[in-house]
Amino acid sequence: RKEVEQDPGPFNVPEGATVAFNCTYSNSASQSFFWYRQDCRKEPKLLMSVYSSGNEDGRFTAQLNRASQYISLLIRDSKLSDSATYLCVVNPGTGGFKTIFGAGTRLFVKA
Amino acid sequence: GAGVSQTPSNKVTEKGKYVELRCDPISGHTALYWYRQSLGQGPEFLIYFQGTGAADDSGLPNDRFFAVRPEGSVSTLKIQRTERGDSAVYLCASSSLTSGSSNTGELFFGEGSRLTVL
Repeated sequence: RKEVEQDPGPFNVPEGATVAFNCTYSNSASQSFFWYRQDCRKEPKLLMSVYSSGNEDGRFTAQLNRASQYISLLIRDSKLSDSATYLCVVNPGTGGFKTIFGAGTRLFVKA
Repeated sequence: GAGVSQTPSNKVTEKGKYVELRCDPISGHTALYWYRQSLGQGPEFLIYFQGTGAADDSGLPNDRFFAVRPEGSVSTLKIQRTERGDSAVYLCASSSLTSGSSNTGELFFGEGSRLTVL
């Protein structure tokens, strides 16, 4: 089983739609969780950290369910500029600062 | 420069050749990571350094791959006897690790080195 698994998509949604991405991780000792965004042929960039209590940043909401080893990202009121690949990222808790990326979920927002 | 710098940006080589990829992290960042990304996949962890030492090299696929960071700043990823399957974008990232045992530090990536093995 992969350490971090995501639905690869692609998700094709119209502007203004709400879209949710899911991610599961295999190691229950995992400590830190993030969502990164990667545009086509560009490097990944941090979108937001994921906290146990859940957190929101504008149109983006991230949630963590430790019992189910599950992370989610919700995007409300999708914009054309949200089109990108969203990467689920985990520190697997094996000690130190090793950081593992999921395969990514592609999102296409259309006018 | 202010960001992570990787050279070369593109490298084309022949099967069996030796390749070195260089990463210059953000000044003061103690952690440095190497990833490999193939088309349509997420970044695959290779190795990370804390200072000069390799803290975790569990992602290196085999003994043809080796990385060093002798002075705790610039790092070089070395690939011996390249194979066509090594073709990918090699990404370097650096981070200023913050506190405790949790990774609360953002990873800052370079633009990558695209390696093509013919």
